[in-house]
Amino acid sequence: GNSVTQMEGPVTLSEEAFLTINCTYTATGYPSLFWYVQYPGEGLQLLLKATKADDKGSNKGFEATYRKETTSFHLEKGSVQVSDSAVYFCALSVMGSSGYALNFGKGTSLLVTP
Amino acid sequence: NAGVTQTPKFRILKIGQSMTLQCTQDMNHNYMYWYRQDPGMGLKLIYYSVGAGITDKGEVPNGYNVSRSTTEDFPLRLELAAPSQTSVYFCASSIGGNTEAFFGQGTRLTVV
Repeated sequence: GNSVTQMEGPVTLSEEAFLTINCTYTATGYPSLFWYVQYPGEGLQLLLKATKADDKGSNKGFEATYRKETTSFHLEKGSVQVSDSAVYFCALSVMGSSGYALNFGKGTSLLVTP
Repeated sequence: NAGVTQTPKFRILKIGQSMTLQCTQDMNHNYMYWYRQDPGMGLKLIYYSVGAGITDKGEVPNGYNVSRSTTEDFPLRLELAAPSQTSVYFCASSIGGNTEAFFGQGTRLTVV
């Protein structure tokens, strides 16, 4: 089936540290890949996306590259801020029996300390 | 710019009761989704719809029903509430299958 596996959290970093959150996927066909972010008490918001192999999505200093050969879409940021503290979800969109279904990983909680 | 609106925000149900979680979007999106979010488990897809009159099951459809009679509305029905349905429920919509999904604020449901 189609699924996403993310690294377990929580991840705790000091401000200005480098961030990597690993994400690998299993999918039939050619999925689109996404990172969503959830701040406390809110719904999810799109952070970035990539729709084909070797595409790089980027937004707010975050970036991720669609690697078909390793079925990965790792999220990176060079220097995190306290305001980046949130839960990050990797997701894929792939054709199901009635159209595209959007499937999420379990989420990785990030805490950035001053 | 209301986006995706879910009601209610909170609800406590007794075992065996039924209720409908409402979801409406004003963006003329074709796709709509229902997810449940449990601690440490991420979001699990319950049902989705690619347009009015079309619905399909996700990963965890048991105990739920949906309908999509209009483009705007996608209600989720719980017929016989069970404690295992205690969760936070999110509705989302997108214009197409590979495009950004917009989420509602969630409904926190407790079944006692």
